[in-house]
This record gives sequence, C-alpha cells and structure tokens, in this order.
Amino acid sequence: QKEVEQNSGPLSVPEGAIASLNCTYSDRGSQSFFWYRQYSGKSPELIMFIYSNGDKEDGRFTAQLNKASQYVSLLIRDSQPSDSATYLCAALSNFGNEKLTFGTGTRLTIIP
Amino acid sequence: DVKVTQSSRYLVKRTGEKVFLECVQDMDHENMFWYRQDPGLGLRLIYFSYDVKMKEKGDIPEGYSVSREKKERFSLILESASTNQTSMYLCASTGPTGAGQETQYFGPGTRLLVL
Repeated sequence: QKEVEQNSGPLSVPEGAIASLNCTYSDRGSQSFFWYRQYSGKSPELIMFIYSNGDKEDGRFTAQLNKASQYVSLLIRDSQPSDSATYLCAALSNFGNEKLTFGTGTRLTIIP
Repeated sequence: DVKVTQSSRYLVKRTGEKVFLECVQDMDHENMFWYRQDPGLGLRLIYFSYDVKMKEKGDIPEGYSVSREKKERFSLILESASTNQTSMYLCASTGPTGAGQETQYFGPGTRLLVL
C-alpha cells in the first residue's frame, strides 16, 4: 500500500513566523510531489510541485525534497492569517496514469 | 487558466435514488478523476479515466460507476444512493506527464447528502 503521511495538526504559528509542514512517503518509485492548499468547504488548489532533490522557491513558499529520506516539506515564510488552511501533500508514483496518492492533510492556523 | 466545473455544488437525495454527478474540463486533458473527501480520511480515489470510454477503478469503486463519452466530460453515477455515500465529491483533471502537466486541477466540489 503506497502511503503518504502527514501530521494532521493542528499546527499553530504566529503571524510573520515560518510555518513548516512535513510529509513522508513510502513508495521509492514516487517521482513528483505536490502541495495543495484547501480552505474549509473549498476544493484543493495547487501551491507547488517539485521533482528534484533540494529546494524550490516560489514567493513566500519553499518546497524541499529529499528522496533518500523519502521526505517532502513546505515552508511558508512571513505567515499570514490567509495562510490558515489545510495543506495536502501528494505523490505521483506511476508515470502513465497520473494517479496521485494524497496525505490526509495538515491543518495550519496562523495566529494574528 | 484551467477550468473544471461540476454540475452541482449541493445535492440532497434519498436512499435508493440514482444520482449523476457531472464534471467538465476545458483544457483538453486526457486524464480525469473522481474523489470523495471525508473528515479524517482525506481524498480517496473512486475512479479515473485516461481516455474517452476508458476507465479504471480507484481505491473505493464499490457502489459507483462512471461514464466518459466525450473527452471533456466525466460523469460519476451512484447506482442506488446510500447514506454512507454522503460526502464531498471532487472531480479533477490533468494533462500528460511532464513539466508539471500532471498537476491535478480540481473542480469546486459537490457536497452530497443522502437521506
């Protein structure tokens, strides 16, 4: 069973601080990784994807991938109250049918 | 921008009814997916389709069927709705693998209540 594990939280972070969200995956064949943000009652929206080991930055967001440790993380700098949401990590394991395996999500609350 | 639309945002049905949920995408994507999302269980894949008239079972296909007669449209069918199918249903679509095209784009979701 291919699994993606996330700490369900809730994770509380003061406004302006760095929020760190973590994800581990069991399938070493996983090639690509995605971070989605989901506000309550809404559908998931893509924040970032990452393929290669190392860091990938987009604005206040940085995704980090370590394939040897099977670990993906998302850092949110200068956290804002609008960042309060559930963050879903997903892994793509099988090229050819684009099936994603999702974690259950981490609920993040930014405290003003 | 990719647009994925779902036929209803909210739906209330009675046990035993046949329910149709429709999803349409406007990006000529080959792959389309149906998920349900329940508290504490995350997103679970029901069915997916990688081409017209092609379908594959996901992790929880029991009680559901799908139809893909046209590339842009993917329908989820609850043959005989039951109360345990009360959930949020999410449709997604994606292009081919490579350069982020496999990113899944989600519709707004349909919240189904079965009484």
